[in-house]
Amino acid sequence: DAGITQSPRYKITETGRQVTLMCHQTWSHSYMFWYRQDLGHGLRLIYYSAAADITDKGEVPDGYVVSRSKTENFPLTLESATRSQTSVYFCASSESWTGSSYEQYFGPGTRLTVT
Amino acid sequence: AQKVTQAQTEISVVEKEDVTLDCVYETRDTTYYLFWYKQPPSGELVFLIRRNSFDEQNEISGRYSWNFQKSTSSFNFTITASQVVDSAVYFCALSSSNTGKLIFGQGTTLQVKP
Repeated sequence: DAGITQSPRYKITETGRQVTLMCHQTWSHSYMFWYRQDLGHGLRLIYYSAAADITDKGEVPDGYVVSRSKTENFPLTLESATRSQTSVYFCASSESWTGSSYEQYFGPGTRLTVT
Repeated sequence: AQKVTQAQTEISVVEKEDVTLDCVYETRDTTYYLFWYKQPPSGELVFLIRRNSFDEQNEISGRYSWNFQKSTSSFNFTITASQVVDSAVYFCALSSSNTGKLIFGQGTTLQVKP
């Protein structure tokens, strides 16, 4: 009954380090998304995926890498963290993006601080 | 380009007052979806409603109601008889039927005082 989970929930890292944020969903949803939330900007899409091995850039992809080897997992990697990447990161999934059942389900978020 | 504007950054009301949160959107798509999400102080995002572009019927759910007007590109959210538990950040979002990507507004922080 987990739904969509993110780990870690909180992370502090240093500038220049690589860090990976994990996202796991148990619904076998085809579509998965990564957003970042910053004050004054709402949520902005970083990357999304329509299926395993299919990913595409969103609005703010620079400095991030994603992969999706399995349907249920969608990790987000910051290759060399910068202070501007301090943010709250939300993962989301959906079964489809049209129709009466369209809804994105969000994970609890990961609060990342880059020092 | 798609855009969502929530012009009200913060709203403060006293409990039992009615409050309307404004949302104005821009899109060239003929088929699209509009959403409202609530983010309470605990931080999670709670889905409230989805509307597709072909359904302009207003909706009421308990104390919540939504007014969708394509003519003014607006999708406003009204809370009737507000309660302290309604205090949260509310986001309006837009999605194209072609991509599924959500474009969020900046959010409106609602504070309901007892």
